[in-house]
Amino acid sequence: QKEVEQDPGPLSVPEGAIVSLNCTYSNSAFQYFMWYRQYSRKGPELLMYTYSSGNKEDGRFTAQVDKSSKYISLFIRDSQPSDSATYLCAVSGGYNKLIFGAGTRLAVHP
Amino acid sequence: DGGITQSPKYLFRKEGQNVTLSCEQNLNHDAMYWYRQDPGQGLRLIYYSQIVNDFQKGDIAEGYSVSREKKESFPLTVTSAQKNPTAFYLCASKREGFGETQYFGPGTRLLVL
Repeated sequence: QKEVEQDPGPLSVPEGAIVSLNCTYSNSAFQYFMWYRQYSRKGPELLMYTYSSGNKEDGRFTAQVDKSSKYISLFIRDSQPSDSATYLCAVSGGYNKLIFGAGTRLAVHP
Repeated sequence: DGGITQSPKYLFRKEGQNVTLSCEQNLNHDAMYWYRQDPGQGLRLIYYSQIVNDFQKGDIAEGYSVSREKKESFPLTVTSAQKNPTAFYLCASKREGFGETQYFGPGTRLLVL
């Protein structure tokens, strides 16, 4: 079993839709949760960072962590074509190591 | 502007050749990392370094080597022992004591001729 599972998609939605991206993880010791956005042939850029449980909102993006279910989510409201990218979840228990999901490809069409 | 630079953007390797990928950061970050990304897969850790003159193997270190002689620089050598080197290589850095967030460079695509 992989430590982090993420549906690779692709996920195709119309412009303006609400997008839900999800990951599950296996180790209850993970405390740090991140979402990165990666455009084609570019390096990942940090979107959201959450420590422990709860929600965090930044503009159109909301990150949610449910530690009881070992489930993390990223919601994108009013999606735009510029949101078309691969979204990577990452988790960490500290100790200088991030564990990444495989990434979900998202396409937002006009 | 602070950031992480990687060079070259594209690199071609011939059979039996060692090649070195450059990674430089001016963020004054302590820790630096090298990842490999294959199509449809997440990032896999090759090596990381928390301080100068010290580094640790990651999950897929075989066929790779690194050095950390300066805080700003963390070059990765892909040796001839790495039999499947074609991939997208990403360098990242992190400031110690400020959580686990890593910041990434633009990447180097390595292709085998």
